Amino acid sequence: AQSVTQLGSHVSVSEGALVLLRCNYSSSVPPYLFWYVQYPNQGLQLLLKYTSAATLVKGINGFEAEFKKSETSFHLTKPSAHMSDAAEYFCAVRGGNQFYFGTGTSLTVIP
Amino acid sequence: GAGVSQTPSNKVTEKGKYVELRCDPISGHTALYWYRQSLGQGPEFLIYFQGTGAADDSGLPNDRFFAVRPEGSVSTLKIQRTERGDSAVYLCASSPRGGAAYNEQFFGPGTRLTVL
Repeated sequence: AQSVTQLGSHVSVSEGALVLLRCNYSSSVPPYLFWYVQYPNQGLQLLLKYTSAATLVKGINGFEAEFKKSETSFHLTKPSAHMSDAAEYFCAVRGGNQFYFGTGTSLTVIP
Repeated sequence: GAGVSQTPSNKVTEKGKYVELRCDPISGHTALYWYRQSLGQGPEFLIYFQGTGAADDSGLPNDRFFAVRPEGSVSTLKIQRTERGDSAVYLCASSPRGGAAYNEQFFGPGTRLTVL
């Protein structure tokens, strides 16, 4: 069975500071992992995805994530936070016909 | 191009009533998914269509929930005898092909259902 765990339901960073959102996965097969962002009253938008081609994945809006098999992690990072990054972030793993989502991390950016 | 659209954006109903939620996927996408997102939670899978048929309905919580996709495009999620616990945001997503595990899913804005 596949699942993901997001550590920290709320994260606050100062504008310009490093963003680090944590995701650990559990999968019995090589995982396909995704990060989605959800802005208020909007649908989920794909930030990036891991498909085993490269362990460091670059996404939109300056985000990237590194797949670490030894740590079963796929943490999301951005070197410098922007006010516009404030949103809910979801990590997900593909399992069969569906995605299994984490409970989400709400990112607040402090000016 | 047009993304996934869902109507209505908000639906308020009374306990015991019947509701229908509509999803228009991206044109040409054969795979369609329904998820339910409760407050403070991530989306939870309900059902998956490949073409016209429900390939996986293992996420439907009970027999009050039903979904159709008669022509392989638009889908309708139907909820009978609604309960207050059904209140959530119902998300629809589509994908070019259901079988490729690395394919992302494109999500609509959701329908917020409130059962009074």
